[in-house]
Amino acid sequence: KAGVTQTPRYLIKTRGQQVTLSCSPISGHRSVSWYQQTPGQGLQFLFEYFSETQRNKGNFPGRFSGRQFSNSRSEMNVSTLELGDSALYLCASSPGLLNTGELFFGEGSRLTVL
Amino acid sequence: AQKITQTQPGMFVQEKEAVTLDCTYDTSDPSYGLFWYKQPSSGEMIFLIYQGSYDQQNATEGRYSLNFQKARKSANLVISASQLGDSAMYFCAMREALNTGFQKLVFGTGTRLLVSP
Repeated sequence: KAGVTQTPRYLIKTRGQQVTLSCSPISGHRSVSWYQQTPGQGLQFLFEYFSETQRNKGNFPGRFSGRQFSNSRSEMNVSTLELGDSALYLCASSPGLLNTGELFFGEGSRLTVL
Repeated sequence: AQKITQTQPGMFVQEKEAVTLDCTYDTSDPSYGLFWYKQPSSGEMIFLIYQGSYDQQNATEGRYSLNFQKARKSANLVISASQLGDSAMYFCAMREALNTGFQKLVFGTGTRLLVSP
């Protein structure tokens, strides 16, 4: 069974640009959540999608957005990039609502903003 | 709000020895779940072990066990017979139920474990 796949693994952008990251969940998983990991702030919840709808969002500005497609694949977008957006962005999938099990994480997309 | 505290920024252990990584938590919810994840340098978060708040026994998964002390609000990870491949960051996390019916994980700051030969 294939795990969570994130693309691209590494990318470099400059301030003001935008970026789109992709996440393919484990087959059959309908929930995809995103986390940002930085040395200063640690791991922080960005948002979660289930059945193509954003179910909850963390404390991030509106520059951070996402969507989920009918096949459960998800994308997140960051517009008007700032230096502080440099981070490892982790995607996690789970079967869905009221899941009591663990989240399955991908290897992450490491974004560097210059 | 829920909070996870990992007070050990780094730990050293010799191969084949046991090591305990500390985790304390704070929550007012009677129902919660506690997780431990391992993050190697590749970046992927690897699930290790889970403990539910109503579980009567401490969770075990191979060389990993969770020392769950509910009254003290601690959930320490014990790794027995350490291996070189255990060198990584270790995160304690708590499942926080959201009013949407979904959940998110609240993570601690992590402990970097280094296993020496």
